[in-house]
Order: sequence, then C-alpha cells, then structure tokens
Amino acid sequence: QKEVEQDPGPLSVPEGAIVSLNCTYSNSAFQYFMWYRQYSRKGPELLMYTYSSGNKEDGRFTAQVDKSSKYISLFIRDSQPSDSATYLCAMIASTLGRLYFGRGTQLTVWP
Amino acid sequence: ETGVTQSPTHLIKTRGQQVTLRCSSQSGHNTVSWYQQALGQGPQFIFQYYREEENGRGNFPPRFSGLQFPNYSSELNVNALELDDSALYLCASSPRTGGLDTQYFGPGTRLTVL
Repeated sequence: QKEVEQDPGPLSVPEGAIVSLNCTYSNSAFQYFMWYRQYSRKGPELLMYTYSSGNKEDGRFTAQVDKSSKYISLFIRDSQPSDSATYLCAMIASTLGRLYFGRGTQLTVWP
Repeated sequence: ETGVTQSPTHLIKTRGQQVTLRCSSQSGHNTVSWYQQALGQGPQFIFQYYREEENGRGNFPPRFSGLQFPNYSSELNVNALELDDSALYLCASSPRTGGLDTQYFGPGTRLTVL
C-alpha cells in the first residue's frame, strides 16, 4: 500500500465549476498537509498547507484535513482556465522531514 | 519565478551510462532535496543535503549519489543508468529553519534513458 493515494483523473470541468480534489494516506505520523500545483514542464509550486486537522481558506482555494479518516481535500471555487494543471497532495511528519507525494490529479478547466 | 535553477533542461542517455545533474539553490538556502518524478507519478524523495552532508535518503540504490558544495549548490549523479531511470528530476531548496512555505522547487531536468 502506498503511503499517499490520489486519483490521477483526468478531471475536466467547465469554467466556474467547483472542483474537489482528494487524497488518502496511511501514516498517522503525518502532521503537515500540502497541495502543490504543477504546470507542464515546471516544478511543483506550493499552493497552501495545513497543520493537523481543520480547514484553511485562501481566496478561491480551501484545504480540508480529516486526520481521523486520513483524508484530505482541496476545493477550488469559480474555477478558471488558468487553474488547468496537475495538483499534487503532499504530506510530511515534521518541517525538517521528507515530503511524501500523491501521484497528482490532472485538471482541465475549459472556457 | 523561484531562484532555484537546474541544468541541463533535458538530456538523453543510453543504458549503462552515467549522468550528472546540477542544481543551484535559492540564495540563503542551505538545504537541498532531490526528487524523481516518473511520468504520471508524484515526486519520490531521493535524498537531502544539509551543509554538504547527506541528511536522509529515500528508497533508491547506491548508484544514486549526490554532492553539496560550499555555496550550497548540489549535484545528483546516477551510475549504470537503467531504462526505469527515465524521469523528471527535481531539486528543492530551503533554509534549514524555514517553514514549509520557504521550500522552492526548480523546473527539473528531464532524463530519457534509451
């Protein structure tokens, strides 16, 4: 079993839709949960991170963590064509540790 | 655009050859991590360097080795290349005491092994 599971999609939605991206994990030691966005031919870019359980909102993006279910989500409201990218979830046990990534979900937002 | 640069952008090698990939970390960042991202997969941790010492290693064989230099730039060396080594190789730099939002990835080097 992989440490982090993520549905690779692809996911295709119309502009303005609400997008829901999810990951599950197996390691209870994970404390920090991140979402990265990766455009084609680019390195991953950190969108937002959350410590332990709870919600965090940043503009059109909301991250949720449910540690009891070992389940994390990223919601994108009012999706835009510029949001088209691969979204990677990642987790870490401490700020000095290694990142464990999901395989990424490819998202396309069409006009 | 981050200050992490990688070279070369892409290269093609044949099985059994050796390759060296380079990473220049962002100014002030003394920690460099290397990741391998196979097509359609998430990045996998190879190893991390802090102050020129290896500081953690993922599940990669010894033919994957690295260096960090006094200016904190880094090299990833892969010997005896195999077809499965074809991937995007990413480096990420961060300050040792920085938060999670201070780690930046470079654009990667795409390696193709024929």
